[in-house]
Order: sequence, then C-alpha cells, then structure tokens
Amino acid sequence: KAGVTQTPRYLIKTRGQQVTLSCSPISGHRSVSWYQQTPGQGLQFLFEYFSETQRNKGNFPGRFSGRQFSNSRSEMNVSTLELGDSALYLCASKAQPTTDTQYFGPGTRLTVL
Amino acid sequence: QQQVKQSPQSLIVQKGGISIINCAYENTAFDYFPWYQQFPGKGPALLIAIRPDVSEKKEGRFTISFNKSAKQFSLHIMDSQPGDSATYFCAASRGGGATNKLIFGTGTLLAVQP
Repeated sequence: KAGVTQTPRYLIKTRGQQVTLSCSPISGHRSVSWYQQTPGQGLQFLFEYFSETQRNKGNFPGRFSGRQFSNSRSEMNVSTLELGDSALYLCASKAQPTTDTQYFGPGTRLTVL
Repeated sequence: QQQVKQSPQSLIVQKGGISIINCAYENTAFDYFPWYQQFPGKGPALLIAIRPDVSEKKEGRFTISFNKSAKQFSLHIMDSQPGDSATYFCAASRGGGATNKLIFGTGTLLAVQP
C-alpha cells in the first residue's frame, strides 16, 4: 500500500506570494492532518480534516488555510508569505478520527525568500 | 498545559548501549503517547505508542515506560545500533477520536557510534 504522498517536495517562493501544498492520504484513510516543522518551534499542529470538514485548528494566523476533497485528498494554502513561513510542511493520515496511528508523508520543504 | 517537555536535546551512545529519552507532560487529559523516529529528509515514522492503562510496552528493542502519577514517559532503545541514529520525538494527544492533534516534544538527536 502506498504511503502518504505530498507534492511538491520542494518549493521556493518570495515574500508576499501565496502557495498551495497537496497531500494524498494512504488509500482508504479519510482523516488528514497538517503540521509545520521548523528548527525553532519544532512540530506544530496546523489543522485536521475528516469528511471534508475541518475538525480542529492549531494556533496559526488566518493566512494558513486548508481543505479536504471528497476523495480525502487535502490541500493547504498559505497566503501573503512571510520569511518565517519557511518550514517543512507535513501531512499525516489515519483511517478514521477514532484510530490512533497517524502516518506521516515526507513533507514539502517551503523556502520563502 | 499543552506542553510536552523532552530531554536530552542530544544523545551519543556507543553501539550496543542503551539509549534513554525522557518526556514529561502537564495535561492530564492526554491519553495517547506515541514516539516517532525521523531520519533526515523524511517524515516522522511511528515507532511505538502507549496508553496510560499500562506502565510498560515493549516492541523488539524499543520499550516505553510510563509513570502516570509523575506524568512522565520514556523511550528505551536496547542494544542501540548505528542505524538507530535519528531524531526521536515524543508526543501526546487526547486520543479516542477526540482530536488528531499531536503535541510534540522538542526532539532528541541520537547518534550511535560504531
């Protein structure tokens, strides 16, 4: 079974631009979460989706948004990019919200210049 | 109350030795405690996880010890190997479907010397 896939793997943007990252969960998994990983702040929860509905949101500004499609694929968007948004963005999926184990993808490395 | 504190920040162990990483939490609502292993350029991979109804869980060379009264849990890697060199993260969440939100520790960079 293929793992969580994220595209693109690497991205370079400039300040003020916006970016969209994509995540395809493991086949059959319907719950998707996003995390931001930086050297300074570590791994921080962004949001989670199930059945196209956002179930929970972390403490990030409104510039960070996401959505989930009917096939469980998810996208996250960051508008008006800032230098501090440079990070590894990780997507994780699990079968149902009630199951424990989250499986992470390899991440998208975003660099903001 | 949402923090998970992890120590040490880095650890050097000789091949065959025992690696021990400790975590402490504050929120007594947490009921699911996983450990993740991350290699450079990869996403975190679940290593082992425990719930508070048991004090210890072992899977191969990896053991979680859990102390509910002290709100602490630790990862022990027995017979450490160079291939275990990675960054290890503890995490906590309110499981059982309440949320997917994992609160992660700050990570421990483990180097196992041959």
